[in-house]
Amino acid sequence: QSALTQPASVSGSPGQSITISCTGTSSDVGGSNYVSWYQLHPGKAPKLMIYDVIDRPSGASNRFSGSKSGNTASLTISGLQAEDEADYYCSSYTSSHTWVFGGGTKLTVL
Amino acid sequence: QVHLQESGPGLVKPSGTLSLTCAVSGGSISSSNWWSWVRQPPGKGLEWIGEIFHSGNTNYNPSLKSRVTISVDKSKNHFSLKLRSVTAADTAVYYCAKVGQLVGAHDHWGQGTQVTVSS
Repeated sequence: QSALTQPASVSGSPGQSITISCTGTSSDVGGSNYVSWYQLHPGKAPKLMIYDVIDRPSGASNRFSGSKSGNTASLTISGLQAEDEADYYCSSYTSSHTWVFGGGTKLTVL
Repeated sequence: QVHLQESGPGLVKPSGTLSLTCAVSGGSISSSNWWSWVRQPPGKGLEWIGEIFHSGNTNYNPSLKSRVTISVDKSKNHFSLKLRSVTAADTAVYYCAKVGQLVGAHDHWGQGTQVTVSS
């Protein structure tokens, strides 16, 4: 299985909105309701930010939202804050009953 | 709140076997969840290794399947990873994680443990 495709990096200024894309195939992102997004800060456990494409777990800021169109899922962060600077990974369940992650996107808050 | 903690040797010799355990606290490993191993090589992205259900059913990443065994010990409330014939490419931070019962995602993660393959 191939990793999902994410941009290597995105950046934005405090208060702005950014969107990170995650492109897969009809065997994963396009055909799955189980698309999720994770935030990784160095030395910390990954944190679930979005699950089931659009849902947000308790503990995740409502500035984070998810969407999907075809084989591409997206994570949008509105009202950027310095604490949002981190690596972000998408993930999808696949038709082969496996999980696949994206290559990761480094978010820089300018 | 479920808590996961990885443990095991931080250094493994090439061609040897990497063995890690994930202790689960704050919940039962026999609950209706799948339990996963994920790794992150230095400078690279997350890679899913495989998962296990308390019944012993497993799913593995096809690229690692020939070298991986994941097992569960319900009496100790933990699950384990064995990766055979390791090389430097298996050097990574290894995480254990729980797949949510009602959510299609890994909703709880351990802090991760660094494993280096070197002689």
